[in-house]
Amino acid sequence: DIVMTQSPDSLAVSLGERATINCRSSQNILYSSNNKNYLAWYQQKPGQPPKLLLYWASTRESGVPDRFSGSGSGTEFTLSISTLQAEDVAVYYCQQYYSTEWTFGQGTKVEIK
Amino acid sequence: QVQLVESGGGLVKPGESLRLSCVASGFNLNDYYMGWIRQAPGKGLEWVSYISDTSHNIKYADSVKGRFTISRDYAKNSLYLQMNNLRAEDTALFYCARALGNGWFDSWGQGALVTVS
Repeated sequence: DIVMTQSPDSLAVSLGERATINCRSSQNILYSSNNKNYLAWYQQKPGQPPKLLLYWASTRESGVPDRFSGSGSGTEFTLSISTLQAEDVAVYYCQQYYSTEWTFGQGTKVEIK
Repeated sequence: QVQLVESGGGLVKPGESLRLSCVASGFNLNDYYMGWIRQAPGKGLEWVSYISDTSHNIKYADSVKGRFTISRDYAKNSLYLQMNNLRAEDTALFYCARALGNGWFDSWGQGALVTVS
């Protein structure tokens, strides 16, 4: 199975500042035939199901604010929140769908400093 | 409006069985890959299983392989997860979710709580 490792486990960022979350896969998840990275990002607020933010590593889901962006390729990926808002306090997860068994990262908790 | 509603959760003893159901509204569940994802109390997300639109492609996480069975009822627009030989470590909130593209989940239910104790 492909293991997804996120860092840090938690971070505290001031309102209006940038938050950066990293996600590393144990194997390459870039499919060479279509040049797409098989990675999604989710946001989960307390008491709610996860919400899809990004897929193909950097394609924003409809309705997701443009302060959320994704980058990276191969095995190293980043989710950035350009200007942190109070409503962005949540746990963020990456997920690979490259292999036939899909896996999630362990999550990164984002709080306000 | 896309909606997924899980049911069937509850408290069972180790070794017992439980069947979760997920009913879809606002879309035809039969046109999509569907999956189950669980979350143990205070823990992260764990993918459990998925089933293709034709039911020909089914996969399970190693942690549930041989004990859980995913299926769908085309007439009822429903998804199921039969869970046998349950263990304490299966205690979790089980989410039903719709998969798009090659495997990201765009719509999630509110979850069904399974407690094994």
